[in-house]
Amino acid sequence: GQNIDQPTEMTATEGAIVQINCTYQTSGFNGLFWYQQHAGEAPTFLSYNVLDGLEEKGRFSSFLSRSKGYSYLLLKELQMKDSASYLCAVPGDSNYQLIWGAGTKLIIKP
Amino acid sequence: EAGVAQSPRYKIIEKRQSVAFWCNPISGHATLYWYQQILGQGPKLLIQFQNNGVVDDSQLPKDRFSAERLKGVDSTLKIQPAKLEDSAVYLCASSTGTGVEKLFFGSGTQLSVL
Repeated sequence: GQNIDQPTEMTATEGAIVQINCTYQTSGFNGLFWYQQHAGEAPTFLSYNVLDGLEEKGRFSSFLSRSKGYSYLLLKELQMKDSASYLCAVPGDSNYQLIWGAGTKLIIKP
Repeated sequence: EAGVAQSPRYKIIEKRQSVAFWCNPISGHATLYWYQQILGQGPKLLIQFQNNGVVDDSQLPKDRFSAERLKGVDSTLKIQPAKLEDSAVYLCASSTGTGVEKLFFGSGTQLSVL
């Protein structure tokens, strides 16, 4: 079967670094997506990893380990505007439709 | 470039009433998706269109939900009759084609069924 797990909620301090983990189980693998979703808004694309390793994009980086079924999103120099939910998703077996995690709500404190 | 347009932004109805949502994808995007997102959960795919054909509607409650994309551009999603558990945000998304690719989402319609 296919399954995705993420922590429900995390709290971090402005200016700090936070790592949001995602573990997944799929029969095949076609990459992993991270999306950001502010409260009351639609998800927006952050990153897509298909190969192992770390991909850096400004303050945000995403890591993938296919052998461990594990990914994380690393947010540096946290800003108040980073308060949002972070969703990981993997393409499923059927038509590559995305299987979504429930999301991790990140709370940033001053 | 214009994004995915959805309307209405909010809707409040009573149970057993009907409701319709509209979506206009990004110009040139062949694939259109309707998702249901209940508070605190990830999006759940209801239906996926490729042009004006249905690719996947396996999770669409067909006894009450219907969707169409007649000319392969904009789409409507209807619920009739609505139930309390249909309260959710309904998200429309589009992408350029098939395969693994990122999705572009509209602002969503927040539905409250009383």
